[in-house]
Amino acid sequence: DTEVTQTPKHLVMGMTNKKSLKCEQHMGHRAMYWYKQKAKKPPELMFVYSYEKLSINESVPSRFSPECPNSSLLNLHLHALQPEDSALYLCASSQVGTIGSEPQHFGDGTRLSIL
Amino acid sequence: GENVEQHPSTLSVQEGDSAVIKCTYSDSASNYFPWYKQELGKRPQLIIDIRSNVGEKKDQRIAVTLNKTAKHFSLHITETQPEDSAVYFCAAKGYSTLTFGKGTMLLVSP
Repeated sequence: DTEVTQTPKHLVMGMTNKKSLKCEQHMGHRAMYWYKQKAKKPPELMFVYSYEKLSINESVPSRFSPECPNSSLLNLHLHALQPEDSALYLCASSQVGTIGSEPQHFGDGTRLSIL
Repeated sequence: GENVEQHPSTLSVQEGDSAVIKCTYSDSASNYFPWYKQELGKRPQLIIDIRSNVGEKKDQRIAVTLNKTAKHFSLHITETQPEDSAVYFCAAKGYSTLTFGKGTMLLVSP
């Protein structure tokens, strides 16, 4: 069973559309992450939220806009995406570690296709 | 930043054989090393992890070893089964974020 739930599972959108990806966890984790994964590649970190505040933005283009409305929810707003943005978008969560870290648990991802 | 190298990129074994995947990291401050298994079309799933104050950890057929001095860590799978076929990613984390290796595709033939 997946403890991190992502919706939708699949999304096809045009380059002018606006859509949002959603992620939810109820494990009490206070760190949440967005990753992008292309086929046959490792997950690539996009954003990190810690205690609902954006703590890391890995130089992601502004057409991706993250939002963390509360400690259980994480959104990724999409606008004016390019075909190369087609990928699997993974959400993950973990406890907030100090030195030494807590395991990150991944959701099943949203498979995004840009037409 | 951290750099993680993972080898081999592809590993083919016969059912019942052992499989070993090796990773090296560059940042001596890294202190947490998880391994993820990702089946085709599915999410990365944590299978085992090790912290820098431990040299070895075992969970049934899976073990991980860590050599902090040499900055390398390895995944060992014994008595492989066809359902072990997947892509395996190692990762390293220090004060900041997880850095993943490029992955190893493990193929276990019956």
